[in-house]
Amino acid sequence: AQSVTQPDIHITVSEGASLELRCNYSYGATPYLFWYVQSPGQGLQLLLKYFSGDTLVQGIKGFEAEFKRSQSSFNLRKPSVHWSDAAEYFCAVRSGGYNKLIFGAGTRLAVHP
Amino acid sequence: GAVVSQHPSRVICKSGTSVKIECRSLDFQATTMFWYCQFPKKSLMLMATSNEGSKATYEQGVEKDKFLINHASLTLSTLTVTSAHPEDSSFYICSARGVDPGEQYFGPGTRLTVT
Repeated sequence: AQSVTQPDIHITVSEGASLELRCNYSYGATPYLFWYVQSPGQGLQLLLKYFSGDTLVQGIKGFEAEFKRSQSSFNLRKPSVHWSDAAEYFCAVRSGGYNKLIFGAGTRLAVHP
Repeated sequence: GAVVSQHPSRVICKSGTSVKIECRSLDFQATTMFWYCQFPKKSLMLMATSNEGSKATYEQGVEKDKFLINHASLTLSTLTVTSAHPEDSSFYICSARGVDPGEQYFGPGTRLTVT
């Protein structure tokens, strides 16, 4: 069965520092991978996605993620965090185009000034 | 990108009553809609998947008679929480997918509080 693990429940970084949020998935074939961001009381916004091709994916708001098949990982990165990036981040996997999304538990990001 | 709306954004109802939440795809036809619930500080839990004109497929443990889902058109799905109880208080989020299976868009969510 598919699963998604986000090992870090909470992460705190200083504004301007770099950020990496971890995501590991469990699935036999190449999955569809997503990162979403959720601000308090809001719905989800898609940051980026990976289906195939270049394993380094660029997203909105300066985020990027790298698919590493050997590590079953899809970590999200940003070189310089802004205070407005404080939110909850969810990694998700889908086994095929028409299948359902499976979400990780989420990582709550706090940004210190 | 495509827009999905939900109405209402917040609702408070008394225990034992029913409440309906609407989910609309505003600028595309949603062949499939998904309903999720999210409890405080938790991840999204898929409740059910509905295809237009068909009965919804519920996830294990979700009571289909309690959470009624109707997907009557390609732009509208509704979730009705029947005989709501305080433990049904949650953040309900709908999501819609069009003909492109790679894209799935989320609504802003509905905060349900049952008193």
